[in-house]
Amino acid sequence: AQSVTQLDSQVPVFEEAPVELRCNYSSSVSVYLFWYVQYPNQGLQLLLKYLSGSTLVKGINGFEAEFNKSQTSFHLRKPSVHISDTAEYFCAVTGTDSWGKLQFGAGTQVVVTP
Amino acid sequence: ETGVTQSPTHLIKTRGQQVTLRCSSQSGHNTVSWYQQALGQGPQFIFQYYREEENGRGNFPPRFSGLQFPNYSSELNVNALELDDSALYLCASNLGQGSTTEAFFGQGTRLTVV
Repeated sequence: AQSVTQLDSQVPVFEEAPVELRCNYSSSVSVYLFWYVQYPNQGLQLLLKYLSGSTLVKGINGFEAEFNKSQTSFHLRKPSVHISDTAEYFCAVTGTDSWGKLQFGAGTQVVVTP
Repeated sequence: ETGVTQSPTHLIKTRGQQVTLRCSSQSGHNTVSWYQQALGQGPQFIFQYYREEENGRGNFPPRFSGLQFPNYSSELNVNALELDDSALYLCASNLGQGSTTEAFFGQGTRLTVV
């Protein structure tokens, strides 16, 4: 079984400043990792995913994340945020033996202010 | 637009009633998963269907049941509704069983139990 911990429930950030959202996971098997974004009253949109290979993953809208196996982390970063990045962000994990059965963290609310 | 559509978008039911939520997956996607997202929380995995058979279940009671049809549509049924069943219900479709393609989420159905 897998589990995910998102270390920050809310992250306030000024426009054009960098942001980092922290995610730690636990699993007894190898994992695939994901970051999703959810805008108000909408479903989930995939930002990026780590399946294998390079530990630095680049996604849409200028986001990137780094997989750190020794620290069991998958932190999300963006060097310069926009007002439109205000949303809820979810880290998710699935075991390589359970594709598609995602375990989500509790989410991090990002609030970007001018 | 993910190609995954859910209906209805909103629904109000009375405690003890039964409800059916519907999802139309992307064409060709043989796997559908359902998630429950309570207010302020991350999505919780309910179950997954692969080629019309249940293929894994989360920590939900038997009154949560599902069906998947050959035309890539699926249903989530909940019997004997409880107040705690109030949540956003999300379905996600993907090519499963060995494929590592992205899961596409619908916009969700907001269920309110009164």
